[in-house]
Amino acid sequence: QQQVKQSPQSLIVQKGGISIINCAYENTAFDYFPWYQQFPGKGPALLIAIRPDVSEKKEGRFTISFNKSAKQFSLHIMDSQPGDSATYFCAARRAAGNKLTFGGGTRVLVKP
Amino acid sequence: ETGVTQSPTHLIKTRGQQVTLRCSSQSGHNTVSWYQQALGQGPQFIFQYYREEENGRGNFPPRFSGLQFPNYSSELNVNALELDDSALYLCASSRPGQGIFGELFFGEGSRLTVL
Repeated sequence: QQQVKQSPQSLIVQKGGISIINCAYENTAFDYFPWYQQFPGKGPALLIAIRPDVSEKKEGRFTISFNKSAKQFSLHIMDSQPGDSATYFCAARRAAGNKLTFGGGTRVLVKP
Repeated sequence: ETGVTQSPTHLIKTRGQQVTLRCSSQSGHNTVSWYQQALGQGPQFIFQYYREEENGRGNFPPRFSGLQFPNYSSELNVNALELDDSALYLCASSRPGQGIFGELFFGEGSRLTVL
C-alpha cells in the first residue's frame, strides 16, 4: 500500500531552470513532511521539511509548498544547478512514532 | 560529531544464508531505525529501536530481527535470505528534541546482494 505517491519519476531541467516534484498522501495522521536528497552510493540526506500548519517553507533555493486540504505537497528547486542532480524523495511521518513513509523518488538531472 | 556509520558497505550472500549488518549511531542519538531500499525505489521502514527495545515495526517478516546495544549501536539480522532481500539497507539515528523522536540522519548503507 503506497501511502505517499510521488511524481514525476524523473525529470530533466536546464541549468538555471526550476525543478518541481509533487507528492500526495492519504493518511491525515501524518504531521511532518520532509524531503530527502540522495546521491548515488550515499544515504538520503534531509533537505528541507514542513509541518501541516505552514503552507510554504523556503530554505535557499529550495521551497516546499503544502496544501493540507488537497493532501499534497511539492518541492521547488529554483535556479537548478548541475550539483542538484540527484534522486529526491518526499516522505511523511505520523505523530505517533518516528516511522517515515517514503515516496518512490524522482531522479533529477540538471543539464549544464 | 561523527555521523551514522554502517558496516559492511557491500556483501554478497547466497539464498538461505544469514546476514548481520551493523550500525553506529550519531553521537548523542539514542534511537535507531532500519530501512530497506530496493533498487530504484524509496526506502521502506523495517523497524526502530529506542533504548534497546523495538519500538515500531514495518511490514517485514520475523526473519528480519534486530538489536540495540547500551551504546545505542544496532544490528540488523536477516535469516533465510531470499533473492528479494537484495537491497541497500539503511540505518538512521535520531535524538529527542525536535518532535517526538527528532530528525533522522542516515548512514550510507550496506549493499546486500543475494545470489
